[in-house]
Amino acid sequence: NAGVTQTPKFQVLKTGQSMTLQCAQDMNHEYMSWYRQDPGMGLRLIHYSVGAGITDQGEVPNGYNVSRSTTEDFPLRLLSAAPSQTSVYFCASSYSGGRRSYGYTFGSGTRLTVV
Amino acid sequence: DAKTTQPTSMDCAEGRAANLPCNHSTISGNEYVYWYRQIHSQGPQYIIHGLKNNETNEMASLIITEDRKSSTLILPHATLRDTAVYYCIVRVGGQAGTALIFGKGTTLSVSS
Repeated sequence: NAGVTQTPKFQVLKTGQSMTLQCAQDMNHEYMSWYRQDPGMGLRLIHYSVGAGITDQGEVPNGYNVSRSTTEDFPLRLLSAAPSQTSVYFCASSYSGGRRSYGYTFGSGTRLTVV
Repeated sequence: DAKTTQPTSMDCAEGRAANLPCNHSTISGNEYVYWYRQIHSQGPQYIIHGLKNNETNEMASLIITEDRKSSTLILPHATLRDTAVYYCIVRVGGQAGTALIFGKGTTLSVSS
């Protein structure tokens, strides 16, 4: 049982480049979310999803796209990287309502630097 | 969505109980209170959650006031490994269901 797997762990991009951060979970969780954490700051919600085909914006969605074609995967796309997107990105997943535990499981993060 | 207020930092001696307070005066009747912690730059770790009854698990206890406007996370015997940022969170709902909104949290420093 791998939990939440994020790839890559580290990435350096040039300004204007695009890339996709991958997130996969093998726990059959319905809910998945993406967060960013800037140095010395708390986590901020980017996008989230309750299942395949349904996504919604969080606190800081600009510059990012998501889609959810399967239950297992929730990729985050950076359309045109900017230095302000230098951050650590965390993916998380959880069961939906009706289950005993609503706790989210977080991945280990992707450390992104945009130069 | 209900907001939470936590002290910026707290200190605790190793072996003593750590009591971390959280105010959530605008919480609605069906919103849960969650506690997570983040050690160094790792991904946040789920600790405990509750609706209105007190809860206990192998990691901690959660005490929620009767009016649900505040709660306290209790680590009964703090160790050095409990040094972390602790987040008190309520759930937010939208088209896509629910997600967590993190505040600034409380930095707990456990010393020997």
